[in-house]
Amino acid sequence: GEDVEQSLFLSVREGDSSVINCTYTDSSSTYLYWYKQEPGAGLQLLTYIFSNMDMKQDQRLTVLLNKKDKHLSLRIADTQTGDSAIYFCADMDTGRRALTFGSGTRLQVQP
Amino acid sequence: NAGVTQTPKFRVLKTGQSMTLLCAQDMNHEYMYWYRQDPGMGLRLIHYSVGEGTTAKGEVPDGYNVSRLKKQNFLLGLESAAPSQTSVYFCASSYGGQYTEAFFGQGTRLTVV
Repeated sequence: GEDVEQSLFLSVREGDSSVINCTYTDSSSTYLYWYKQEPGAGLQLLTYIFSNMDMKQDQRLTVLLNKKDKHLSLRIADTQTGDSAIYFCADMDTGRRALTFGSGTRLQVQP
Repeated sequence: NAGVTQTPKFRVLKTGQSMTLLCAQDMNHEYMYWYRQDPGMGLRLIHYSVGEGTTAKGEVPDGYNVSRLKKQNFLLGLESAAPSQTSVYFCASSYGGQYTEAFFGQGTRLTVV
């Protein structure tokens, strides 16, 4: 079956850049997603990238996709304490039209 | 805008008890999903539905049943709760296209003692 993997924890200082990495196995993924979960809340879509793109930039967020290595990354520039959350990488199970999630990376931003 | 609403938000069950979690969405979405979230394991798909009157098994369906009698509602049932079902349960809905943003409820924290 499909598998999406992420490291579990990342700690950065306020103002630094954060880079969260993800690997996936399903080569047929058309879109890949990043979701954010704040404490006690559900998940919200942060950004996504179409599979024929290498990079997508959206304000402080940069998504990089390496299809050959099946590697996805999310870079947050000028990380703020409000960015502290769990970040999930996800791809689409095309058969079920359901998202398959990684384990989530907990980002801790130290002042 | 309500979006996706889950009830209840918290529940404590004794082993062997039953309960139903309700999910309601007001976005006219065809697809609805139930996930469970456990520490270090991300979200795992329990069951899903591609439209009113349909249900299908996800990754971890054992011990759960679902029903989608109305398009806007998706119910998750536990017939005989077990401690292994202690988790946070999330409902989500989407249009179901190739690009599809899934909208999530706030979650139900269930503890089985």
